[in-house]
This record gives sequence, structure tokens and C-alpha cells, in this order.
Amino acid sequence: ELKVEQNPLFLSMQEGKNYTIYCNYSTTSDRLYWYRQDPGKSLESLFVLLSNGAVKQEGRLMASLDTKARLSTLHITAAVHDLSATYFCAVDIVIGSGSRLTFGEGTQLTVNP
Amino acid sequence: GAVVSQHPSWVICKSGTSVKIECRSLDFQATTMFWYRQFPKQSLMLMATSNEGSKATYEQGVEKDKFLINHASLTLSTLTVTSAHPEDSSFYICSATTSGDVEDTQYFGPGTRLTVL
Repeated sequence: ELKVEQNPLFLSMQEGKNYTIYCNYSTTSDRLYWYRQDPGKSLESLFVLLSNGAVKQEGRLMASLDTKARLSTLHITAAVHDLSATYFCAVDIVIGSGSRLTFGEGTQLTVNP
Repeated sequence: GAVVSQHPSWVICKSGTSVKIECRSLDFQATTMFWYRQFPKQSLMLMATSNEGSKATYEQGVEKDKFLINHASLTLSTLTVTSAHPEDSSFYICSATTSGDVEDTQYFGPGTRLTVL
């Protein structure tokens, strides 16, 4: 059974600081997704990582994927309050003719002024 | 970009009644739709996968007779919670994918919050 583990689960940081969220998964996959969820809302897609070594950046967020280590990171640079949300990674596994996502537990990020 | 809608956004019902939630892809044909459930402060758990015109594939532990899924067209899937009970109260989110999408992206709906009294 695929396991997807995020670390940390809760993160409180000050504006302007940097931090990294880690996502480990237990089986082979070449597709990993990062999502953001605001309270009471659905998921917003942040990044799609499709190959080993993939790196994508959008604003203050940068995501990377190491398929050999089964590890993805979401790096936050110079955090601002607007980044406060819960961040999920999800791993895509091919099953038969289709695929399915397995989500990590989520990292609840609070950025304090 | 691809848009997925859900209706209703929230629903409150009495225990024992049935509730239907609709999931629509507005500007693309959804070959596959997924239904997730999210309890407060928890992650998303996949309930079932449905392909247009086929029976849904349910995840282990999800009662197919309680959570009826119909994917009658390429733009509509419905989830019916039958004989709902308070423990079914949750945030239900659907997503959809389309064939030919290289990134195999799932486009998520806005979710439906179900409260069973």
C-alpha cells in the first residue's frame, strides 16, 4: 500500500523567513502534485512534477522531485501572510488502465507578521 | 483552464434521508471522475473512481450501496449518499480528468459540505 508522508504537519513561521516542506512516498511514481487548500475551500493546483529532477517555481514557492529518493520538497522563500494555508502533496499511481492520487496528511502553514 | 463545478455547495439534511451531489465539467469532457471525502483537519481520501458509462470502482472500506455513483455522461457524475447518518457529515470533493492531458491533471471541484443532523 502506498504511503505518502509530509513533514512537518504544522508549521508556524514569521514573515520573511524560509522553510521547506517535505513529502516522502513509499513506492515508485513519476508524477507528484502539490496543492494548496484554504479553510473551507477546495484544492488549488500549485505544481505538477513529472520526472526525476523536475523543479518548478511560482512566486515564493519552489517544488522539486527526486524519484530515486521518493522525495519531493516545497520550498518557501521569504514567506508572507498570504501563504498561510494547508499544503498537500499527492502521488499518482497507475492502476490498470487508470491512475489514482494518494494524498499526504497535509502541512498546515501559518505565517505570522 | 478546466473548470469543475459541484452542486450544492452545502447541504444540511436529517438522518435517514438521501442526498445527491452533482459534479460537472463545464468546459471539457471528463473521461474519469473521482470522488473524495475530507473530514475536518484531515487529508482527502479517495472514495471511488468512475468512468463514463461504466460502474464506479470503490476504494476498500467504502460501501457501494451507501454511496451511489452515476457517471452518465462525459460532463456529469453524481454521488448519492443514501440513508445519511451524522458520521457521513464531511466535505465531499469531486475531480475530473480528460484523456489526452499529458500531465494527467485532476481538476477539482469546489466541494460540497454535507451536515447530517
